[in-house]
Amino acid sequence: GAGVSQSPRYKVAKRGQDVALRCDPISGHVSLFWYQQALGQGPEFLTYFQNEAQLDKSGLPSDRFFAERPEGSVSTLKIQRTQQEDSAVYLCASSYRQLDTIYFGEGSWLTVV
Amino acid sequence: DAKTTQPTSMDCAEGRAANLPCNHSTISGNEYVYWYRQIHSQGPQYIIHGLKNNETNEMASLIITEDRKSSTLILPHATLRDTAVYYCIVRVANAGNNRKLIWGLGTSLAVNP
Repeated sequence: GAGVSQSPRYKVAKRGQDVALRCDPISGHVSLFWYQQALGQGPEFLTYFQNEAQLDKSGLPSDRFFAERPEGSVSTLKIQRTQQEDSAVYLCASSYRQLDTIYFGEGSWLTVV
Repeated sequence: DAKTTQPTSMDCAEGRAANLPCNHSTISGNEYVYWYRQIHSQGPQYIIHGLKNNETNEMASLIITEDRKSSTLILPHATLRDTAVYYCIVRVANAGNNRKLIWGLGTSLAVNP
């Protein structure tokens, strides 16, 4: 596809449930980013991959959050034992190289009830 | 903290130019100014970026002051579909430090018929 693709688009999880969010970056893009956006706020950085290497995970809010990109293309953000404060939009973005323009997907809207 | 300040909201009449200001008084010589917008329920969309020269593309123009402490995004003929939150972001241009885009709250632009 032409853009960054994310799935599911919407997810409702019961508190304590594990969720997995998928990101398909633009083909050939080396850099991949995950951001979290709370309602009415700007996106906040979670983690960064260069190919399969996770070079920065300083933004992950707790050890319940885990991201991977095992083959350097598709990435998964996993949240274990979800809590209500995890409710947010999770945005994936990619760029050809680290210094290039970053393009975002439509986001995965997570609601924890 | 975001390194930019923007007005919280602005209005513009359809068909007129929308001029969105941004202050980035602490910008460094190696930092670019990026603009993104986010239409309701969608992911951020890249608009334009620049270092010190004015830039124009099919979406908008970016005017950066000579001292680089402020800039203006210009949508030459605003349409209803331009209603969105517009984010101005500074991004360092060297590898290692530019992974995180630091987002403020942006300007909510309402284009009125």
